[in-house]
Amino acid sequence: GDSVTQMEGPVTLSEEAFLTINCTYTATGYPSLFWYVQYPGEGLQLLLKATKADDKGSNKGFEATYRKETTSFHLEKGSVQVSDSAVYFCALSEGGGADGLTFGKGTHLIIQP
Amino acid sequence: DSGVTQTPKHLITATGQRVTLRCSPRSGDLSVYWYQQSLDQGLQFLIQYYNGEERAKGNILERFSAQQFPDLHSELNLSSLELGDSALYFCASSGSVGEQFFGPGTRLTVL
Repeated sequence: GDSVTQMEGPVTLSEEAFLTINCTYTATGYPSLFWYVQYPGEGLQLLLKATKADDKGSNKGFEATYRKETTSFHLEKGSVQVSDSAVYFCALSEGGGADGLTFGKGTHLIIQP
Repeated sequence: DSGVTQTPKHLITATGQRVTLRCSPRSGDLSVYWYQQSLDQGLQFLIQYYNGEERAKGNILERFSAQQFPDLHSELNLSSLELGDSALYFCASSGSVGEQFFGPGTRLTVL
């Protein structure tokens, strides 16, 4: 079946550092890929998405590129802020987001001032 | 605010009991999804309803069931509760584009 693997952390960085959170996936078809963010005590919010190979999703300074050859969708940000502290989930959908999402375990990111 | 509401926010109950969690989707969204988030299993898809009909099933236990009503709100029923059912239960909804919007969740504690 489908699966998503991501580093679990916690990942601790200083403010303005460069961020990479790795995500790799296994899927039978050609899935859509997503990054969701969960702030403490809240539900998940869609951060960005990509629906086909070589697509780049971007939002709020975060980027991720859909790499079919390496089955990866790594999340990057050039300069993190304290407000980026949260749990980040990589997810896939075989149905373009209109079916149940398969999530990774989540990466807890802590940004220190 | 995603526009998806869930009640109650917290629920504490005992083993063997039955509870009902409620979800109201965003206005106009026909699809509702239920997810369970626990420390050991992570975030798992349970079930999806589309316009009142069951559309897809994930890792949902037989003790759990759901339905979607004509006004599109949905309920997740959990019965014969066990300690291991303690978790955060999220509802999400989506429209035609397929992007899922998540509610704030219901935290269930089984004692």
